[in-house]
Amino acid sequence: GENVEQHPSTLSVQEGDSAVIKCTYSDSASNYFPWYKQELGKGPQLIIDIRSNVGEKKDQRIAVTLNKTAKHFSLHITETQPEDSAVYFCAASSGGSYIPTFGRGTSLIVHP
Amino acid sequence: NAGVTQTPKFQVLKTGQSMTLQCAQDMNHEYMSWYRQDPGMGLRLIHYSVGAGITDQGEVPNGYNVSRSTTEDFPLRLLSAAPSQTSVYFCASSVGRLPSTDTQYFGPGTRLTVL
Repeated sequence: GENVEQHPSTLSVQEGDSAVIKCTYSDSASNYFPWYKQELGKGPQLIIDIRSNVGEKKDQRIAVTLNKTAKHFSLHITETQPEDSAVYFCAASSGGSYIPTFGRGTSLIVHP
Repeated sequence: NAGVTQTPKFQVLKTGQSMTLQCAQDMNHEYMSWYRQDPGMGLRLIHYSVGAGITDQGEVPNGYNVSRSTTEDFPLRLLSAAPSQTSVYFCASSVGRLPSTDTQYFGPGTRLTVL
């Protein structure tokens, strides 16, 4: 089955800095890569996703890049704000299974 | 739409007790799943369902049962609770097959403590 590795487990930045979270996956058939944000006491919520026919996708201050050859994808947050502080999860799923496999999460802390 | 709802929000059980965690969605989603979240372990899939009457095991199914008699509801049963089942449980649903989005919508979670 799919295996998703996520790094780092904790990331601390100053407000205004950029943050990058990286994930690798094992199943070359995976073609859908979502990112979820989980605020304290809440369920995860989708913030951005990318499909295998696209190399990069951007939505305001967040962007995701995908390298299918190397089987890794990354989340980039620019101009971080304190409200970006949360746990972020990457995930991967293939066309044969629409239940994604999640990484272990990254706790992002943005210091004012 | 209420989205995905879960009850209860908090529960304390004694070892050996049984209980059912409730999950419902009003988005007519075909796919529903249960995850448990433990510190440093991310979200691990317990059971999932691709439609009413169809269920399958995920990564950590032992000690849990599910059924899916309707599209809307997907309860998770703990047969004989153990301290190792202390966790936060999330229910999620998604539309299902491509080309529709397969975004997962999560409920608010149930925090379970087994003494």
